[in-house]
Amino acid sequence: SQKIEQNSEALNIQEGKTATLTCNYTNYSPAYLQWYRQDPGRGPVFLLLIRENEKEKRKERLKVTFDTTLKQSLFHITASQPADSATYLCRGDSGGYQKVTFGIGTKLQVIP
Amino acid sequence: DVKVTQSSRYLVKRTGEKVFLECVQDMDHENMFWYRQDPGLGLRLIYFSYDVKMKEKGDIPEGYSVSREKKERFSLILESASTNQTSMYLCASTSLVGSNYGYTFGSGTRLTVV
Repeated sequence: SQKIEQNSEALNIQEGKTATLTCNYTNYSPAYLQWYRQDPGRGPVFLLLIRENEKEKRKERLKVTFDTTLKQSLFHITASQPADSATYLCRGDSGGYQKVTFGIGTKLQVIP
Repeated sequence: DVKVTQSSRYLVKRTGEKVFLECVQDMDHENMFWYRQDPGLGLRLIYFSYDVKMKEKGDIPEGYSVSREKKERFSLILESASTNQTSMYLCASTSLVGSNYGYTFGSGTRLTVV
């Protein structure tokens, strides 16, 4: 079955550094990937979408890449801040509502 | 801003009770979804609706039903609540599948069944 895999271990980084989160997909080829931020006890918030024919997308301090050879997306937060601490979810879509798959998320902790 | 409002943040219900979770969106979105989120399992789709009175089963529909009588409102019903339905329930909406705006989620309802 189609899977989105994210590192379930928390990522701790120092304030000011670049945080890099990984999303790997298996058993399917998503037409696009989305990244969401989720704070404790709240619903996910949409951040960025990248299509399979796009290598890279940027939004302010956020950058997302899509590598169809490695079957992977990387999510970068540059100049990280403690306010960036949250869980980040990756989502893959291959068309249709039933083809939407979310990863379990990676918890990011930015240490002052 | 698109807003998805879930009626309750926290609910405690007894086993066997019928439970209604309400979700309202204010942006005239056609598509609405109910997910549950559990540690280690991520988001799992229960039901979705792409139009008024239309519904489709997601990955885990057993023990649940839904109702969409008006475009802006999508209700999740637990016919007879059980302890394994203790979870965080999230409602979402979007105008189009594949929309550049992604899904807009509500704040969630944390349901505890005792």
